[in-house]
Amino acid sequence: DAKTTQPPSMDCAEGRAANLPCNHSTISGNEYVYWYRQIHSQGPQYIIHGLKNNETNEMASLIITEDRKSSTLILPHATLRDTAVYYCIVRVIGNQGGKLIFGQGTELSVKP
Amino acid sequence: EPEVTQTPSHQVTQMGQEVILRCVPISNHLYFYWYRQILGQKVEFLVSFYNNEISEKSEIFDDQFSVERPDGSNFTLKIRSTKLEDSAMYFCASSGQGSMNTEAFFGQGTRLTVV
Repeated sequence: DAKTTQPPSMDCAEGRAANLPCNHSTISGNEYVYWYRQIHSQGPQYIIHGLKNNETNEMASLIITEDRKSSTLILPHATLRDTAVYYCIVRVIGNQGGKLIFGQGTELSVKP
Repeated sequence: EPEVTQTPSHQVTQMGQEVILRCVPISNHLYFYWYRQILGQKVEFLVSFYNNEISEKSEIFDDQFSVERPDGSNFTLKIRSTKLEDSAMYFCASSGQGSMNTEAFFGQGTRLTVV
């Protein structure tokens, strides 16, 4: 699985958009970009995923560059409850599922 | 909303004892996983399970570990003879409803403390 690179930490003001970058320059054509977050020691929570098109759901937007070598997760209006570690993961989906390989992630602190 | 449930939430065991961690995956999911997270470290993949057999395992998942789906709903992780270094949060996850490219949902974890 391709490796990802994320900044170790970021701050964001409450109510502002949080833009979390991720580099995955060695991504293969059959690898999807997934984003998860983990609040304290709770179980990782799925946020969004995509292959090459930009995606949006009720939680966030995912912007993937045309060459697919990087992506940005956008939380449009961050709240204090969005304070968490955010993981960008590239994942191959095979016919027997696909493991997630977690890195260190980005620790996002949303401040009042 | 369907969710993955894990029991117990916290387990304390003596070194050398066997423990069984239990998980109820989301109904109709076909792929099941165990991950662990040692305090202060990253989440690590242990094993994936599909069609009643292990489909992939990491080097962490040695002979002391085993998984089982004893009935149609439960998915268990057994550690045969616990060591101090097995102390961690253990997360179960499930994904898939017969198609590829689906997200994995995680349970809230079992905190295992080996003393």
